[in-house]
Amino acid sequence: EADIYQTPRYLVIGTGKKITLECSQTMGHDKMYWYQQDPGMELHLIHYSYGVNSTEKGDLSSESTVSRIRTEHFPLTLESARPSHTSQYLCASSEYGSTLFTGELFFGEGSRLTVL
Amino acid sequence: QKEVEQNSGPLSVPEGAIASLNCTYSDRGSQSFFWYRQYSGKSPELIMSIYSNGDKEDGRFTAQLNKASQYVSLLIRDSQPSDSATYLCAVNSLEYGNKLVFGAGTILRVKS
Repeated sequence: EADIYQTPRYLVIGTGKKITLECSQTMGHDKMYWYQQDPGMELHLIHYSYGVNSTEKGDLSSESTVSRIRTEHFPLTLESARPSHTSQYLCASSEYGSTLFTGELFFGEGSRLTVL
Repeated sequence: QKEVEQNSGPLSVPEGAIASLNCTYSDRGSQSFFWYRQYSGKSPELIMSIYSNGDKEDGRFTAQLNKASQYVSLLIRDSQPSDSATYLCAVNSLEYGNKLVFGAGTILRVKS
């Protein structure tokens, strides 16, 4: 079983609040990712990291920010939450592989965010 | 055109039947192809990966890849009610910096 953890699992918050979604993995993986998923829709990559102090924006524009100070920790922050941020956020990690092989993604349980 | 396309379903099959799930992709340079299963309210988990043309079998699951037709499929033999889930096709897209691009998934329902 994958050792990747997300907190909180569920969060209901008011507009304008700052939130941080936590993600930690104990597998020593270099690569970590944040995906956003709405019901019946594709997973969209919003941020990724290939190692400590490395962060990149993904394919879906997002107002969130991430940091990677430690290998095991990849938090996502929204400075001012809005109803349009309501979604499921999935954190994932993978072993560093060749450039032609992303490899298996291990997902956390997800954080379901509702902004009122 | 979406990078990875799947029929959203739901695909309903009786218990014991073969379920056939299909996926097409647009990036001809793609090298790696994956099938993830996602139960309702849960996160995706990898069930099959395939990298070369042809078939790859793992238990009741068979992945099929045809790069010329840009088509990948998943067959589930002897379908069980526990196979009821959403199946996500994912493709390693060179156009997107060698990152995984997911389809929207096909809902499979296995009726007992």
